[in-house]
Formats: sequence, structure tokens, C-alpha cells
Amino acid sequence: GEEVAQTPKHLVRGEGQKAKLYCAPIKGHSYVFWYQQVLKNEFKFLISFQNENVFDETGMPKERFSAKCLPNSPCSLEIQATKLEDSAVYFCASSPPGVRGTYSGANVLTFGAGSRLTVL
Amino acid sequence: AQSVTQLGSHVSVSEGALVLLRCNYSSSVPPYLFWYVQYPNQGLQLLLKYTTGATLVKGINGFEAEFKKSETSFHLTKPSAHMSDAAEYFCAVSGPFPGGYQKVTFGTGTKLQVIP
Repeated sequence: GEEVAQTPKHLVRGEGQKAKLYCAPIKGHSYVFWYQQVLKNEFKFLISFQNENVFDETGMPKERFSAKCLPNSPCSLEIQATKLEDSAVYFCASSPPGVRGTYSGANVLTFGAGSRLTVL
Repeated sequence: AQSVTQLGSHVSVSEGALVLLRCNYSSSVPPYLFWYVQYPNQGLQLLLKYTTGATLVKGINGFEAEFKKSETSFHLTKPSAHMSDAAEYFCAVSGPFPGGYQKVTFGTGTKLQVIP
């Protein structure tokens, strides 16, 4: 499709429960990025993928967060044992490969509408 | 490391007035600069970007931005504000990186209010 599809739009979890979010990138886009937006401010980078391979995971809190992009499946972001501070909107973005087949930084990110996670 | 500073978390303008949203960047490599807009309950939408070449960049909805290397700035302007411009605007920076890439780093956003 021509849009980045994120599901669910809203997710409510009790503290300590697991949360899983999904992202279907635009067809033909080989890069996927996850960002966390807290309180309508900072977009915190979490992780990026080049196809099914982790490209950059420097932003991931590894003890509770994990992510995958498997062939022929939506990408996923999973939070084990959610905490109150995980309440945020999680945005997925995808990008096509650059002229040389790699992400150059100049590529435009196309964002999904986000998934709002509320941890009670 | 790269970073972006957006001056003013809230900007109010009258309908028809000039819109000026400020963005200053820090980058150790030639930057790629972007402005994105976020409407309520939506994701980010690209307004315009600068990579190389002409420093005055025109985007959608009548917006434009000028890359000024000497001032490390990339301010967003629009000559005449419309009510539909009310949204949150994010400046972002990335850049080329030998053998890899610079991930996109966003500013903290400026909420634009348009007063009738």
C-alpha cells in the first residue's frame, strides 16, 4: 500500500503486562524506523531495520523492548512488563532505499498515524 | 552527533500574517534538514527538505525554508497564515555518513496557533 499502517491505534495495558504494536511499511520500502513520542514533544528514536535485519538499535531499552521485521509479515515492537513511563505514542516510519540501494539520510521518512499506548 | 533546537514551543500568529518558525541545527557533517508537520492524532508529514543545491527550499502548502550555513539555521516561513496551518511543526536533521547513515533526529516541536 501507499501508507504506513500501524495497529492498534490505541492500546491500554496494566503495569507489568505485555504490549505489542504492529507496523506494515509501504511496499518497496526496505527501511523501517520506530520512534517513541512522549507528551507530544520529543521523538525518541528506538530502532531501525533494513528489511529483516536490525540496522540501528542504539535507542532501544533492551531489557524490556524488542522488535522484529520478518519477511511477509508486519514489523512488530514488543514491550515486556510495561511501566507507566512507557505510555506514549509509538510511530513507525518507512523509507525507500537510496540511489545506491542504501539509506543515505536524505531519504524522506513516511510515518504511520501512530499507536497510543497507555499503561495504567 | 547531531541535534536540532527549535526556538519557541508555541507560536501564535493572526490569520494572514507571516509565519516564522525557527530551527537551528548542530552537525559535524553537511546536514540534511527537514520540516515535518503533525496534525492532531496523525503522524508526521513532510513539508520540505534540504539536502544539497539551492538553499531556499519550497515545500507544500506555501511553506519554504532557507538553509543558512553561516547561521546554522533552517527557519520555516509562510507569507500568509491560514487557519488550516494550525498544527505542530518539527524540524529534523540527518546527514551522510561514510559507509552508513545518520539517523533522523527531531527537534521538540513548535505548536503553531492561528488566530482568526
